[in-house]
Amino acid sequence: NAGVTQTPKFRILKIGQSMTLQCAQDMNHNYMYWYRQDPGMGLKLIYYSVGAGITDKGEVPNGYNVSRSTTEYFPLRLELAAPSQTSVYFCASSYNGYTFGSGTRLTVV
Amino acid sequence: QKEVEQNSGPLSVPEGAIASLNCTYSDRVSQSFFWYRQYSGKSPELIMSIYSNGDKEDGRFTAQLNKASQYVSLLIRDSQPSDSATYLCAVISNFGNEKLTFGTGTRLTIIP
Repeated sequence: NAGVTQTPKFRILKIGQSMTLQCAQDMNHNYMYWYRQDPGMGLKLIYYSVGAGITDKGEVPNGYNVSRSTTEYFPLRLELAAPSQTSVYFCASSYNGYTFGSGTRLTVV
Repeated sequence: QKEVEQNSGPLSVPEGAIASLNCTYSDRVSQSFFWYRQYSGKSPELIMSIYSNGDKEDGRFTAQLNKASQYVSLLIRDSQPSDSATYLCAVISNFGNEKLTFGTGTRLTIIP
């Protein structure tokens, strides 16, 4: 039981490039979330999903997209990366409490 | 806007003393409250959850909830250097999606 697995752990992007942050969970949780955390700040919700095929915006969705075709996977897509998207990204799944992935540290230069 | 507020600290506490962390929230319908510990460069880990008014104890940790005053606190007894971390308060207001709203965290340093 691996829990929540995020890849990659680190990435440097140039302005305007695109990438997908991968998130997978093996606990059969319906609820999944993407958060970003900037230095000295709490976590801000980007997008979430309450089940396969169902996604919704969180607090800071601009510049991101998600999909949820299966229960296990919840990838986060960054289109046209901007320096403001430099952050640490956490994926989480929930059933009676959150399980977080180890995070992806993204730098946009 | 629903908010969760914490004193950002840093809070310095001598080893062996009691560390007290506080959190207030703005949404009166909030029902579930959580404390997460986050070490530098790591992901948050759940240390306490509380749903009813009063105290809940788990080892050296005690969570306190007062819904009328809209605050939740975390006490850490016999503080250890390994307790040095950032503590995040989080609240669920909508059971339909279990979205967590986080405070900005309080950085705690235990002084040996």
